Amino acid sequence: NAGVTQTPKFQVLKTGQSMTLQCAQDMNHEYMSWYRQDPGMGLRLIHYSVGAGITDQGEVPNGYNVSRSTTEDFPLRLLSAAPSQTSVYFCASSSPRPRSGGNTQYFGPGTRLTVL
Amino acid sequence: GQQVMQIPQYQHVQEGEDFTTYCNSSTTLSNIQWYKQRPGGHPVFLIQLVKSGEVKKQKRLTFQFGEAKKNSSLHITATQTTDVGTYFCAGPSSGYSTLTFGKGTMLLVSP
Repeated sequence: NAGVTQTPKFQVLKTGQSMTLQCAQDMNHEYMSWYRQDPGMGLRLIHYSVGAGITDQGEVPNGYNVSRSTTEDFPLRLLSAAPSQTSVYFCASSSPRPRSGGNTQYFGPGTRLTVL
Repeated sequence: GQQVMQIPQYQHVQEGEDFTTYCNSSTTLSNIQWYKQRPGGHPVFLIQLVKSGEVKKQKRLTFQFGEAKKNSSLHITATQTTDVGTYFCAGPSSGYSTLTFGKGTMLLVSP
């Protein structure tokens, strides 16, 4: 199993450009999430999905769109890139464990995005 | 909304010294998870604590969950250079479908 894969690994954009960060998982996990990581800010949730066709906003959703047409894929779209979106983006997947309430997240390797 | 706070933000120790990071939640948690992120890497799950007052050990790492299930700690005994990284705690949010992470504690170990 490849686990969670993300492409590209690095990307440089100009302000106003749009792009899609790809995320795929082969563990048949129901839940998928996108986080951004900035120095001193920890991991902040952008959007998440609890299943195909179902998405919801996290803590910092502005400027980003998501869709979940299949269980495996959860792309993140930047509509009009801004310098404030320079960050490292992590995709994660998980399956719920109803008895413990646990939800162990498996992270992809990340995409390092710079917006000029 | 739920907040998860971690202290310290950063700690630099000499190899062989002990290290502790503390995590506090604004709400009672059903469980708490700990993750480690090596420099340039991605977060990796370490452990989950579920029960009030629970203590779990992984070799030199000791994890505790507070009696009130609002705080937790990670203690590393006799640090090694391989312990370098950022340690995050996280609690369930949005109906257990995702996690709220603390800002992390960055650990640097000098040989």
